[in-house]
Amino acid sequence: GENVEQHPSTLSVQEGDSAVIKCTYSDSASNYFPWYKQELGKGPQLIIDIRSNVGEKKDQRIAVTLNKTAKHFSLHITETQPEDSAVYFCAASNPGNQFYFGTGTSLTVIP
Amino acid sequence: GAVVSQHPSWVICKSGTSVKIECRSLDFQATTMFWYRQFPKQSLMLMATSNEGSKATYEQGVEKDKFLINHASLTLSTLTVTSAHPEDSSFYICSARGLAGFEQYFGPGTRLTVT
Repeated sequence: GENVEQHPSTLSVQEGDSAVIKCTYSDSASNYFPWYKQELGKGPQLIIDIRSNVGEKKDQRIAVTLNKTAKHFSLHITETQPEDSAVYFCAASNPGNQFYFGTGTSLTVIP
Repeated sequence: GAVVSQHPSWVICKSGTSVKIECRSLDFQATTMFWYRQFPKQSLMLMATSNEGSKATYEQGVEKDKFLINHASLTLSTLTVTSAHPEDSSFYICSARGLAGFEQYFGPGTRLTVT
């Protein structure tokens, strides 16, 4: 089955700096890679996603890159703000649409 | 768009009783819904996949008779925790597959505490 690894587990950045979270996956059949933001006591919120036929996608301060050959994808947040503080999860999905989640990254943006 | 609701948001019940959690897709029809369990500071653990009008598919290790799932309509799935025990206390989250077939949109979660 699919195995998704996520790093780092915790990340602290100064407000205004960039944050990068990386994930690797094992199943070359995985074709969809979403990123979720989860605030304490709430459900995960889809913030950006990318399909396997695209190498990069950007939405304002958030971008995701995908390297299919190396089987890794990354979340980039620029100009971080305190409200970006949360736990971020990556996931990889196979054509059967089962999601395999990473272990999460707790991001703290220091004002 | 793509809003998923859950009810209740939190519930406290006594050991041995049953609790029902509802998951609704508010602005789209979801043929497939998923139920997850999340322990503190951990990732999401898939419990079961629920398809409208058919029996749910449970992940290995999840007791079918304890966690009853019903997906009676394209906008509603329910999870019933039967004969709850303190070890069932957890954060339960549902998600619904989007119309494009790739995305999953999550509900806000239900905090279950069994005393």
